[in-house]
Amino acid sequence: GAGVSQSPRYKVAKRGQDVALRCDPISGHVSLFWYQQALGQGPEFLTYFQNEAQLDKSGLPSDRFFAERPEGSVSTLKIQRTQQEDSAVYLCASSFAGGAFFGQGTRLTVV
Amino acid sequence: GQNIDQPTEMTATEGAIVQINCTYQTSGFNGLFWYQQHAGEAPTFLSYNVLDGLEEKGRFSSFLSRSKGYSYLLLKELQMKDSASYLCAVPSEGGYNKLIFGAGTRLAVHP
Repeated sequence: GAGVSQSPRYKVAKRGQDVALRCDPISGHVSLFWYQQALGQGPEFLTYFQNEAQLDKSGLPSDRFFAERPEGSVSTLKIQRTQQEDSAVYLCASSFAGGAFFGQGTRLTVV
Repeated sequence: GQNIDQPTEMTATEGAIVQINCTYQTSGFNGLFWYQQHAGEAPTFLSYNVLDGLEEKGRFSSFLSRSKGYSYLLLKELQMKDSASYLCAVPSEGGYNKLIFGAGTRLAVHP
């Protein structure tokens, strides 16, 4: 497709469950970002990839969060042993140069 | 560090003009972005300012004053579909456009 695609759109997880969120960036985009957006807040940076290299993971809130982009295209954000405070929208963005193009996000609800 | 402030909520009438302000503090300046985000949707790019002054793009204009650390987004001839959150963002230091977002301004347009 022409835009950034994320799946699933919605995910409900029981506390303690592991989840995996997928991002398909725009083809050819070198840069890929993951952001977390709590209700009523702006997106907050989690991690950044340049091709397959994870160059910045300073925003990941704990070691339960892990991201990968093994072939420099599709990326997966994995959250282990989910907790209620992980409930948020997880946004993926890709860019070639300049401004970022965002996907619609995955809304994660931990119950 | 970097800090961005914008009003939490604004209301306006259909057909009117509204100005959404954003103040920022950043150690190095690499431009300022405005994004629009409808509820449950992806943030979409509106504007990018790197030089002082007003840039007009149809009904939307964006202004920047680097010396004052200030920007505004001006929306003219408001339509109901303009009801959304408007996010101000600046790239962080690092050279790869990791964005630092404000909390967003929720605009409600009434008939």
